[in-house]
Formats: sequence, C-alpha cells, structure tokens
Amino acid sequence: EAGVTQFPSHSVIEKGQTVTLRCDPISGHDNLYWYRRVMGKEIKFLLHFVKESKQDESGMPNNRFLAERTGGTYSTLKVQPAELEDSGVYFCASSQLQLYEQYFGPGTRLTVT
Amino acid sequence: AQSVTQPDIHITVSEGASLELRCNYSYGATPYLFWYVQSPGQGLQLLLKYFSGDTLVQGIKGFEAEFKRSQSSFNLRKPSVHWSDAAEYFCAVDRGSTLGRLYFGRGTQLTVWP
Repeated sequence: EAGVTQFPSHSVIEKGQTVTLRCDPISGHDNLYWYRRVMGKEIKFLLHFVKESKQDESGMPNNRFLAERTGGTYSTLKVQPAELEDSGVYFCASSQLQLYEQYFGPGTRLTVT
Repeated sequence: AQSVTQPDIHITVSEGASLELRCNYSYGATPYLFWYVQSPGQGLQLLLKYFSGDTLVQGIKGFEAEFKRSQSSFNLRKPSVHWSDAAEYFCAVDRGSTLGRLYFGRGTQLTVWP
C-alpha cells in the first residue's frame, strides 16, 4: 500500500510568486491534514479536511493560503503571493475516519527568497 | 498556554547506551499521546501511541514510552541505542476534542556516536 505522497519535495520561489503544493493521501483515508514547520519551531497544524469538506481551518495563517480537496481525494495548498515568512516544511498527513493514527508524507520544503 | 514541551533540543549518546527523551504537556484532560520519528529525507513515522489503559506502551524499533498522569509526561525510552536511531523525535498530543489535530513539541535531535 502506498503511503502519503507529496509533490514537489522542494520548491524555491521568489517573494510575490505563487506556489501550489500537492498531497495524495493513503487510499481510503477520509481525514487529511496539513501542517507546517518553520525553521527552529514546532510543527503546527494548518487545516483538516474530512473528505472534501474543511473541518477545521483555524491554523491557516492568513488569506494568502488556500487549500482544496476536490472529490475527497488529493489536496492542494496554494500560497499566493508568497512571503519570506512562508518558508518552511509543509507536511501532509492522512488517517481513517474515527481513528487517531495519522500517517505523514515526507514533506515539501518551501523556500521563499 | 497549552503546549507540548520537549526540553532537550539535542541529545548525543554512544551506541549501546540507554536513551530517554522527555515530553511534557499542559492540557487539562488526558489526551492521546504520540511519538514520531523523522529520519533525514523521510516523513514522520509513528513510533508508538497511548490512548488509555496500560501506561507503559511498546512501539516499533525497540522503543517504549511511559505515561505518567501526575507529571503530565510521556517520556520515550530505549535500553540500547543503535546508530540507525539517529534522527529527530517529536512528541505530539491530540486533545481528543479537536478531531485529530495534533500539537507537537519542538523536537529532539538525536546524535549517536559509534
């Protein structure tokens, strides 16, 4: 069974540009989470999908971040326009409904210059 | 503020030595508790979890952790460290009322000397 995959593994963009991160959860996992780790800080929650619906987006830093999960399968996280403070590693995780064990992807390292 | 604390940012041990990584949380109720490990270039891998019951839980790769309610702690242990254990370790908490949202500590980087 394939694990959680994320694309790209690394992205370097200039301030003001747009970047879209993609996450493919484990097949059959209805819960999908996005987290972010800024250098030197803890991993922080961004948002949670249940199927295609946003269950909790209280961790999204501002309206420059837009997450979607069309059809309840893969998810995208768009940052537009990117700022320097958006640099960090973005993790995606998935889990089955009613189960608390989350499986994480390898992360996307975003560098904004 | 509610938080997860890993007081040790970096720990160095010799191969074969015992290991204990500390984790404390400050939530009122007993949450669900996890330890994850991240090796270079890899995603976070779940080592073990505690939901209820026996306070000593066994995980993968020979790791165990003990939940101590009185100390709000969930320390990770391994009796004999292997060089392949060098990685970053994260303690995480699910408060149980937040639909799976995890709160993480800052991580402990483990270096293993041969």
